Amino acid sequence: AQTVTQSQPEMSVQEAETVTLSCTYDTSESNYYLFWYKQPPSRQMILVIRQEAYKQQNATENRFSVNFQKAAKSFSLKISDSQLGDTAMYFCASRNRNQGGKLIFGQGTELSVKP
Amino acid sequence: EADIYQTPRYLVIGTGKKITLECSQTMGHDKMYWYQQDPGMELHLIHYSYGVNSTEKGDLSSESTVSRIRTEHFPLTLESARPSHTSQYLCASSVQDNSPLHFGNGTRLTVT
Repeated sequence: AQTVTQSQPEMSVQEAETVTLSCTYDTSESNYYLFWYKQPPSRQMILVIRQEAYKQQNATENRFSVNFQKAAKSFSLKISDSQLGDTAMYFCASRNRNQGGKLIFGQGTELSVKP
Repeated sequence: EADIYQTPRYLVIGTGKKITLECSQTMGHDKMYWYQQDPGMELHLIHYSYGVNSTEKGDLSSESTVSRIRTEHFPLTLESARPSHTSQYLCASSVQDNSPLHFGNGTRLTVT
């Protein structure tokens, strides 16, 4: 079975500081993809960053980067220079190539960026 | 601006009513999905489709049904709404298995 676990229900960070959100996953597949999504309050879910499992290099998108540890099945998200607009629910998700592309989500981490 | 549209945005109805939540996308994506998001914010896949005339049940059992008669349209229907159906419903689509999902704004359903 494919599972995704986020063990931090809530986190907070001061503006301009760095924060890391944790995620672990479990899959029996060798070909899969990992994602972080952001859901601001009452707004649309949007993609933050994605990682292909076969790539060893950690993905980076501007202030967002991941630490992908394949052997440990860990996929954490680092947000640098946090901004007030980063306040949102963050969801880690995985998608097995051989299961029709179903995206399985973790429980979410509510991030608050404080001024 | 969203390329995937959900209507209505909010819906409050009484128990026993039949409702249809609409989802349309303009990107020509074959794969479409319905997720139910509970008050604790967890997302559960309830239906998905790989293309026209293809529908499958997701990981969370749901009393709702879906249809996929056209590529761009993936409506979800509840024949008889109950208070336990109160939730937010998110529609999504993608072009390939390794592509990210594009989400609509969601429909927040309240059944009284």
